[in-house]
Amino acid sequence: GAGVSQSPSNKVTEKGKDVELRCDPISGHTALYWYRQRLGQGLEFLIYFQGNSAPDKSGLPSDRFSAERTGESVSTLTIQRTQQEDSAVYLCASSLMSGYTEAFFGQGTRLTVV
Amino acid sequence: ELKVEQNPLFLSMQEGKNYTIYCNYSTTSDRLYWYRQDPGKSLESLFVLLSNGAVKQEGRLMASLDTKARLSTLHITAAVHDLSATYFCAVDDTGTASKLTFGTGTRLQVTL
Repeated sequence: GAGVSQSPSNKVTEKGKDVELRCDPISGHTALYWYRQRLGQGLEFLIYFQGNSAPDKSGLPSDRFSAERTGESVSTLTIQRTQQEDSAVYLCASSLMSGYTEAFFGQGTRLTVV
Repeated sequence: ELKVEQNPLFLSMQEGKNYTIYCNYSTTSDRLYWYRQDPGKSLESLFVLLSNGAVKQEGRLMASLDTKARLSTLHITAAVHDLSATYFCAVDDTGTASKLTFGTGTRLQVTL
């Protein structure tokens, strides 16, 4: 597709369950970012992938959060043992090269933990 | 730690009026981005500012960057209702070039 694609668009899960969120970046984009946006707030950086370099995981809020990326394509963000405070929109973005070009965002996954 | 502050947080303005949104940041950086977000939607890139003194314009919006003052502005000229949205500035974290730190956003409401 032409843009960043995220799935699912909405996810409701019970507290304590694990969830997996998927991001398909724009083809050819080497940089991929995950952000979290709580209701009415700005974006919090979670993790960044650039090519084959080690990812920058400095924004992950706890060890319940992890992310993987296959080469320069699909990424998955996994949240284990979900808590209510994990409820948010999780946004993925990709760019041609980090830091110098604009990042294009997907539509996000709205996660609700009940 | 890089901090990015926007003001105002909320702005209600009438159609036809002009206004400016400010974005201050706490560390040296010469890369700043402006995004627009409509309710329930994702972020749309508006401007990429990559040097001191950079000025970019698109329609009724104009963005500028003063790296010495660590300040970017987003100026709205003769606002129209379609500009109602939340506007975010984001700063590239110098030294890592790997992530954007976002401001809290300015919610703009343009009334008829």
